[in-house]
Amino acid sequence: DADVTQTPRNRITKTGKRIMLECSQTKGHDRMYWYRQDPGLGLQLIYYSFDVKDINKGEISDGYSVSRQAQAKFSLSLESAIPNQTALYFCATSDSGGQGRIGELFFGEGSRLTVL
Amino acid sequence: AQKITQTQPGMFVQEKEAVTLDCTYDTSDPSYGLFWYKQPSSGEMIFLIYQGSYDQQNATEGRYSLNFQKARKSDNLVISASQLGDSAMYFCAMREVTSGTYKYIFGTGTRLKVLA
Repeated sequence: DADVTQTPRNRITKTGKRIMLECSQTKGHDRMYWYRQDPGLGLQLIYYSFDVKDINKGEISDGYSVSRQAQAKFSLSLESAIPNQTALYFCATSDSGGQGRIGELFFGEGSRLTVL
Repeated sequence: AQKITQTQPGMFVQEKEAVTLDCTYDTSDPSYGLFWYKQPSSGEMIFLIYQGSYDQQNATEGRYSLNFQKARKSDNLVISASQLGDSAMYFCAMREVTSGTYKYIFGTGTRLKVLA
């Protein structure tokens, strides 16, 4: 099983619908992130969380919300989806680095969302 | 201003030859980390190699090496003896401390095509 699991992997929805993308991890990391990937734009940070009580906005948080239900779970919601939110969404985790660890991001397999 | 810049949207290389993918960055944080990720057509993000801002030597991992020039704020990825399986998108990313928290920022990527 993957260390970082995203559900659903693919979703087609309609404008105005609420949608939730879920992420769970078994790596024991405190830090979790949501990114979106658009062609030619790389990965843009939506939200990040360093523990259950800590939620931070990234570069492109408008139109999104998140919930950190537990250390291992971090969900991304689109309250009212619009077509320009069509993208590939990645959840990622990291540790804090140090003590010989470099703190790289570990990614889920991605959730491809299409908003019609 | 772009914090991470990858100026080569696409690159071609002949199989078995070496190729350099460029990455420049901008930060005022003295302690930062630079990461390279590979994204094959299947979509997953694969961590390749890391360079810390205080590292005295260029990082190497198998056929991957970094040409880290701190004064120029560049950290170019060199892939030696290219293989067909190296065809993918490559992202450079920087971890910096902002307001006491870590953030990972990505470049827009370079699409590498290895020719047989």
